[in-house]
Parts: sequence; C-alpha cells; structure tokens
Amino acid sequence: DTGVSQDPRHKITKRGQNVTFRCDPISEHNRLYWYRQTLGQGPEFLTYFQNEAQLEKSRLLSDRFSAERPKGSFSTLEIQRTEQGDSAMYLCASTKGGPQSGQETQYFGPGTRLLVL
Amino acid sequence: AQSVAQPEDQVNVAEGNPLTVKCTYSVSGNPYLFWYVQYPNRGLQFLLKYITGDNLVKGSYGFEAEFNKSQTSFHLKKPSALVSDSALYFCAVRVRNSGNTPLVFGKGTRLSVIA
Repeated sequence: DTGVSQDPRHKITKRGQNVTFRCDPISEHNRLYWYRQTLGQGPEFLTYFQNEAQLEKSRLLSDRFSAERPKGSFSTLEIQRTEQGDSAMYLCASTKGGPQSGQETQYFGPGTRLLVL
Repeated sequence: AQSVAQPEDQVNVAEGNPLTVKCTYSVSGNPYLFWYVQYPNRGLQFLLKYITGDNLVKGSYGFEAEFNKSQTSFHLKKPSALVSDSALYFCAVRVRNSGNTPLVFGKGTRLSVIA
C-alpha cells in the first residue's frame, strides 16, 4: 500500500512533555497538510507545505507547535509542553498539483491519536 | 470566509433503503466540494468531488452527490444502503481558484444502517 502513513498511531503522554509525530505522504505528492480533529468535529487545518516550504499556518497553531518538511518528503509535527487541550487526532494529508488549481483530492493518513494526561 | 453545515448529527436508515446525508455550504465564489468517509479509528477516505460540469457526481462504493448552486447544497446519496456504509461522513469545501487554501470541513454526520 503506497498511501499516506503516520507514526505513531497512538500516543499517550503526560502534560508538559514534548511529542513528535511523523507523516510520510504519497511519494509523488508535493503538498502536505496537517489537520487536527477533536471529538465530534470535522478536521481543522493546522499547516501546509509545498515541497519543503511551509506556506500557511492556522491561528490554531500556537507557538508550542512546530512542523517541518526538511527534504520535501516526510514531515514532522512537534508539540512542546503538551496540554490536556492538545488531546486530539492529528491527521496528515497529501496531494499533487499546480500552483493555482485547488481541485486536487487530498489523501489522508490514518492519523495519530494523542491523549495528554 | 467559507463554511460547511451538516445539519444532521445522525442519520438512521434501514438496509436496502435509499440514504441521504445533507450538506450546505457558504463561500464567496464558486466552490469545489468534497465528501469523505471515516471509519472508527481511521483517517478520512475520499468518496467523490464536484469540480465543474455535470451537477450529479458519482463516486466510490455506489455513492453519488448532487451539486445545487441555487440551494448551495451538495447532498450525498445512495440508492440502497448497506450495513457496511455505517460510518462518519464529512462534507468539505474550497473556493475555486483560491490557490491552495485548505479544505474546510463540516462537523460530520454519523450514518447508521440497520439490518
């Protein structure tokens, strides 16, 4: 299966600890998105990369959150000093397309479920 | 700002009956519209999308959706529901020609198909 993969699938941590999640997009996809999904809600956009460049960040992405895509392939999302409110499913999606299209389908990974105790 | 409304938190339907999951949208411009399905503890799976052209879009697993510009709706339909269709369904929108703005999702509708 050459879909989007995410690691780990589940993470339990104590408040105040740092956590890092990894996303491996579909190999030829140049765009990568991070979303957060809380219980009873749809996914909410966090940040977006085109190749290695981080082009947009949501106001949901506080300064405790940082994302990288150093070689334009896999991406990491780090949360520092976790809080109980960070408990959520973190979803990664990837797509391929031109600069002004927007009609491409985003393909999602299985997500990383974070629980902050 | 763009937004999506899924007015029903839960839809129950008997197996073999037709199903409809409702979605309305609000954008300042013409939309691209998407439907995704989410099974428990899984990511979102793409079902179908409306880009342009025919208002009736056919997608995976026998699902279809009709774009109605005057009613700003994009309801998901299936002629005959299966128990395996039970899942969480999300509608999403993006404004056409807006570059690579992220998708905006509705809150989701839980579909329960009863045998």
